[in-house]
Amino acid sequence: DVKVTQSSRYLVKRTGEKVFLECVQDMDHENMFWYRQDPGLGLRLIYFSYDVKMKEKGDIPEGYSVSREKKERFSLILESASTNQTSMYLCASSETDRQAFFGQGTRLTVV
Amino acid sequence: KQEVTQIPAALSVPEGENLVLNCSFTDSAIYNLQWFRQDPGKGLTSLLLIQSSQREQTSGRLNASLDKSSGRSTLYIAASQPGDSATYLCAVSPPNQAGTALIFGKGTTLSVSS
Repeated sequence: DVKVTQSSRYLVKRTGEKVFLECVQDMDHENMFWYRQDPGLGLRLIYFSYDVKMKEKGDIPEGYSVSREKKERFSLILESASTNQTSMYLCASSETDRQAFFGQGTRLTVV
Repeated sequence: KQEVTQIPAALSVPEGENLVLNCSFTDSAIYNLQWFRQDPGKGLTSLLLIQSSQREQTSGRLNASLDKSSGRSTLYIAASQPGDSATYLCAVSPPNQAGTALIFGKGTTLSVSS
């Protein structure tokens, strides 16, 4: 059974903290993605990666960075967390032009 | 820029009813279209994927159709059940190229009452 695992379901962080969200997939997929989901705004792409050490900005990359040192792991980094980054974060993986698989989501609250 | 729209935003039906969810997209140059289900507070589960060369896909009580030229897809749910209550999202994939991501609609929240 395919699996995308996000390291935390719920996180509470303080403003200004550096936050790491981890995502691991066990399907040897080349593509990995980070989205955030907010009420009324839907899913918005933050960053994606189509190969190890490759990354591309999505629609809302400001305030975020990513790291993909190994094929199975894609990390999202909030350099200095702010309250407007309170959101549901969703990681996904896929082969190019194939079915996408999502993790269970991380609900991040920045206080 | 590709935009994906889902109407209605919310739908309530009694158990047993057949229903159709709609998805439209502005650029017909897509590689595939996927339908997802999302339960409250959870991640997305892929339901069906339709390649651009296909007209429809079926899985159990679900049938998804694609009319690429008109920029439309529908998800048909037969004999709805309370367990079908969830948010349904459609997403399109731009033409085949390395490093492309799905573009999502905002979803239709379905409530099926017993």
